[in-house]
Amino acid sequence: GNSVTQMEGPVTLSEEAFLTINCTYTATGYPSLFWYVQYPGEGLQLLLKATKADDKGSNKGFEATYRKETTPFHLEKGSVQVSDSAVYFCALYNYGQNFVFGPGTRLSVLP
Amino acid sequence: DTEVTQTPKHLVMGMTNKKSLKCEQHMGHRAMYWYKQKAKKPPELMFVYSYEKLSINESVPSRFSPECPNSSLLNLHLHALQPEDSALYLCASSLHGQVSGEQYFGPGTRLTVT
Repeated sequence: GNSVTQMEGPVTLSEEAFLTINCTYTATGYPSLFWYVQYPGEGLQLLLKATKADDKGSNKGFEATYRKETTPFHLEKGSVQVSDSAVYFCALYNYGQNFVFGPGTRLSVLP
Repeated sequence: DTEVTQTPKHLVMGMTNKKSLKCEQHMGHRAMYWYKQKAKKPPELMFVYSYEKLSINESVPSRFSPECPNSSLLNLHLHALQPEDSALYLCASSLHGQVSGEQYFGPGTRLTVT
């Protein structure tokens, strides 16, 4: 079956630090990959997506690259801000199958 | 209009009460979803409506009853809930009628069952 694994949090960084949140997945075929973000007290928002090999999803300074040969889909940002504090969910979707979330990684950015 | 709205924002109900959660979107999306999210966990899919018809029920207990009166509205009727049903209930929608990874979420209804 399809599954997503993420690094355990919480991740605590100082403002302007470099961020990497690890995500790996297991799936049949080539699924579409997503990062969602959930700010405190809110619903989830789609942060970025990559639908095929070699796609780089990017938004608000965050990036993740879909690599055909390997299964990581790590989220990166060059310089985090306090406002980036949230829970980040990696997810995958295979056509005709269910949508799968990872367990989430909580990020805290300190001023 | 690019948002999904949910009402109420908070709900407290007793185990014998009947209440409903409401979700609305005006983006012309043809699939709508209900999720349950417990603290520090990812959302768990409960139901999917495709073109206003129930297409997925993830073995949810019958005390949760979904309804899709039209393409913009999604309700979740609650009856005889248990304290362990306390959670954040999220509604989402996606453009096409089949399940999609690109979903738009509402802010959720925080439900407390006493």
